[in-house]
Formats: sequence, structure tokens, C-alpha cells
Amino acid sequence: DIVMTQSPDSLAVSLGGRATINCKSSQSLSYSLNNKNYLVWYQQKPGQPPKLLIYWASTRESGVPDRFSGSGSGTDFTLTISSLQAEDVAVYYCQQYYTTPRTFGQGTKVEIK
Amino acid sequence: EVQLVESGGGLVQPGGSLRLSCAASGFTFSTYAMTWVRRTPGKGLEWVSEISGSGGDRHYAESVKGRFTISRDNSKNTVFLQMNSLRAEDTATYYCAKDVAVGGSWGVFDYWGQGTQVTVSS
Repeated sequence: DIVMTQSPDSLAVSLGGRATINCKSSQSLSYSLNNKNYLVWYQQKPGQPPKLLIYWASTRESGVPDRFSGSGSGTDFTLTISSLQAEDVAVYYCQQYYTTPRTFGQGTKVEIK
Repeated sequence: EVQLVESGGGLVQPGGSLRLSCAASGFTFSTYAMTWVRRTPGKGLEWVSEISGSGGDRHYAESVKGRFTISRDNSKNTVFLQMNSLRAEDTATYYCAKDVAVGGSWGVFDYWGQGTQVTVSS
């Protein structure tokens, strides 16, 4: 199975500040035939189901604010929130869809400092 | 509007069984793969099982293989998760989720239900 490891486990950022979450996979998520990275990011707020933010590592889902961006390739990926808002307090998960079983990172809790 | 509504959770003793249901609406159900994902406070999100739109292709996490069975009834727009031989470590909130891909299975989930709680305890 592909192991997904996120860092840090939690972080506190000032309102308007930048939040950076890292995700590392135990093997490459890049498929050579289409040059795509099979990595998705979700946001989960308390009491709510996860919400799709970004797929193909960097493609923002429709309706997701542009302060959310994804980057990376191969085994190393990053989710950046450029200007943290109060409504961004949540746990963020990366997940690989390169193969089954689909596997998630352990989650990163983002709070306001 | 896409809606996914889970039901069937509850308290069950170790070794017992439960059948979860997920009623879908707002999209052409039979053309999308469906997935069950669970969340535990200690382990976060864990992919459990997925089924293709036709129901002919199914995959399971190793932790539930042989104990859980996923199925779907496209005439009723419902996906099921039959859970047998339940263990304490199966305690979680179970979500059903819709795959983004039409006619395939990407493993990217664009709509999720609110979840149903399963507690395995004596």
C-alpha cells in the first residue's frame, strides 16, 4: 500500500497569514503516460463531511477560493492557504488515487493563532 | 442537487453485524462509482470499499476484506455496506461518497454524505 505522510500534524497561523501543509507519498504518484499526479486534497470542518478542494495535485475544484493552491509532483506535495480566513479552520487531508487501496494522510489541523 | 444520505449505523456488540445504506439523488446514479470511507478520532480518514457504477468491480481495504461486502441497487439509487464480524476497531463514522468520474472510478470524491456512526462495544 502507498503510505501518505503529512506534516505538520497541526499548525496555528494568524488571520491573513500563510499556511503550508506538506504531504509525502511512499512511492511516486506521477503517471508517465499522462504526466498527471494522482493526489487530492480535502478539507474537513468539525461536524461536517470532507470537502473536495484540489485534485490532480493542483486543479482547484469549482467554487473553491483561489487562496487554496496545490503544488508538487512525484512523491512530494504541498497545500497552501495564502491568506488564512476564520472559515479555513479545519483538518486537511491528502489522499492518493494512483491505485487501490486509496490511502489518506493522517490529517493536519489548522487553527488560528 | 446531489444528496447522499446514510443510514443503518448504531451500537453493536463485537462479532455482530450491521448493514449501512446510502440513498443517492440528484445525479445519474448508475454511471458513478461509489465509495465508503470511515473516520476515527485516532486514525483520521480510512478508505473502506468502492464499487463501480455497474456493480461488477469491487475493492476493499485489507482491514475489512472478508468481513465487509459492498453492493448497490441501481434501481433504488442506493449503495450498501454489509458489515459482519465487527470489531472494536471498526468503530467510526462511515461516509458514503460519490466518485467524480463519469463511467469510471478515479478515486476522487466530490460529494459526501453526512455520515452514520457505528460503535462496536460490549
